[in-house]
Amino acid sequence: DAGVIQSPRHEVTEMGQEVTLRCKPISGHNSLFWYRQTMMRGLELLIYFNNNVPIDDSGMPEDRFSAKMPNASFSTLKIQPSEPRDSAVYFCASRPSGAAETQYFGPGTRLLVL
Amino acid sequence: GESVGLHLPTLSVQEGDNSIINCAYSNSASDYFIWYKQESGKGPQFIIDIRSNMDKRQGQRVTVLLNKTVKHLSLQIAATQPGDSAVYFCAERGGGSGAGSYQLTFGKGTKLSVIP
Repeated sequence: DAGVIQSPRHEVTEMGQEVTLRCKPISGHNSLFWYRQTMMRGLELLIYFNNNVPIDDSGMPEDRFSAKMPNASFSTLKIQPSEPRDSAVYFCASRPSGAAETQYFGPGTRLLVL
Repeated sequence: GESVGLHLPTLSVQEGDNSIINCAYSNSASDYFIWYKQESGKGPQFIIDIRSNMDKRQGQRVTVLLNKTVKHLSLQIAATQPGDSAVYFCAERGGGSGAGSYQLTFGKGTKLSVIP
């Protein structure tokens, strides 16, 4: 039973480049979350989708960040242009519908912007 | 306990001993709490959860205690093993039907080191 799948696992890019992170949630889960994790700020929620619709993007740092969920099995988080302060580990998590609130996390994408 | 600044609090325990990791939460309206374990290079992994109408819940080798009076959550790990070495996060859900109904707020984490 596959968990949340993220790609790439590691990304090194130069400042100003576009970065696209990908996530495949667990099949049947109808909620998807993007988080950013840094030592300074811990885990921060960036955006939340429910049934492919963005519900809350108040955690997205600025206009350079955008996220899409074109279907129930795929989501992207894009940073354009990237900056060194965007360096972090980005996690995607999904959650089943119904009463369950537990979020299941992917392995993360470690991003380094030089 | 919760972290302050850049440094994660660290708990070092001898293999076979019991571990207790503490967490102070902030929102008295939170109705659901989760403990996650994060190993190096991996995503947070669900360990155990508890709802606010309970004060104790047990899993396999783990027990979560909730004290709503002082807004305190603890995770007890029995017979700690080297594989338990990781960073442990508590998370709270704000409750209600608004924005807080889905959002989990995570603590900064506690690093558990098991001495073989």
